Amino acid sequence: NAGVTQTPKFQVLKTGQSMTLQCAQDMNHNSMYWYRQDPGMGLRLIYYSASEGTTDKGEVPNGYNVSRLNKREFSLRLESAAPSQTSVYFCASSERWPRTDTQYFGPGTRLTVL
Amino acid sequence: GESVGLHLPTLSVQEGDNSIINCAYSNSASDYFIWYKQESGKGPQFIIDIRSNMDKRQGQRVTVLLNKTVKHLSLQIAATQPGDSAVYFCAEKTDSSASKIIFGSGTRLSIRP
Repeated sequence: NAGVTQTPKFQVLKTGQSMTLQCAQDMNHNSMYWYRQDPGMGLRLIYYSASEGTTDKGEVPNGYNVSRLNKREFSLRLESAAPSQTSVYFCASSERWPRTDTQYFGPGTRLTVL
Repeated sequence: GESVGLHLPTLSVQEGDNSIINCAYSNSASDYFIWYKQESGKGPQFIIDIRSNMDKRQGQRVTVLLNKTVKHLSLQIAATQPGDSAVYFCAEKTDSSASKIIFGSGTRLSIRP
C-alpha cells in the first residue's frame, strides 16, 4: 500500500494563478483532510470530508475549495493564489470513528506564491 | 494561533535518558487525543492515542498520560534515541460527528550524544 500520496511535491506560483493539489489514499478510509503548516504556526485544518460526498470547512477555509472526487481522492484548489498561501500542505485520511480516528498523512506539497 | 515552527519550544535530552513532552489542550469536551511525530521534511506520523475514559496508555517505549482535571497531556519516551529527534504534536478530537482533529503547538525534541 502506498498510503496517502500527494502531487505535486513542490510548486511555485505567481500571485493570481490557480492550481489544484491532488491527494489519494489506498486504505479505504472514509474521512479525508487538508491541512496547512506554516513556519511559526502549527498544523491548521483547511477543509475536511467526513465521508464520500460531503465536505466541510475547517479552521482556515478562505481562499480554498475542495472536491471529494470519490472515496480515494480529495483535491484542494486555489482559485487565485496569494503570497499568504505560501505554506506546506498536508493531506490526511482516517477511518470513521469509533474503530479508530488515527490520521495518516501524506508527504506534503511545498507551495510558494510569489 | 499556535506558536510553533521557527519558534518552537525545544526539549534537549541526553541520549539514553527519558523524555517528557507536555501539552495543554483547550476543550474540556474533547474525548480523544493523539500524539504525532514529525521529522524534518515529512508529514506527521501517528505515535500513540488515548481516549478520555483512560488516564494512561503504554506503547513501545512510549507512554501517554492524560489529566482531564487540568486538561494536560504528556508523552514519555523511554531511553531516548537519536532517531527520536523530531517535532512532536499533540492533537485533540473536538467533534464526535465529523472526525475533525485539531492540532496543538509542537515541541522540538533534540537529542544530545
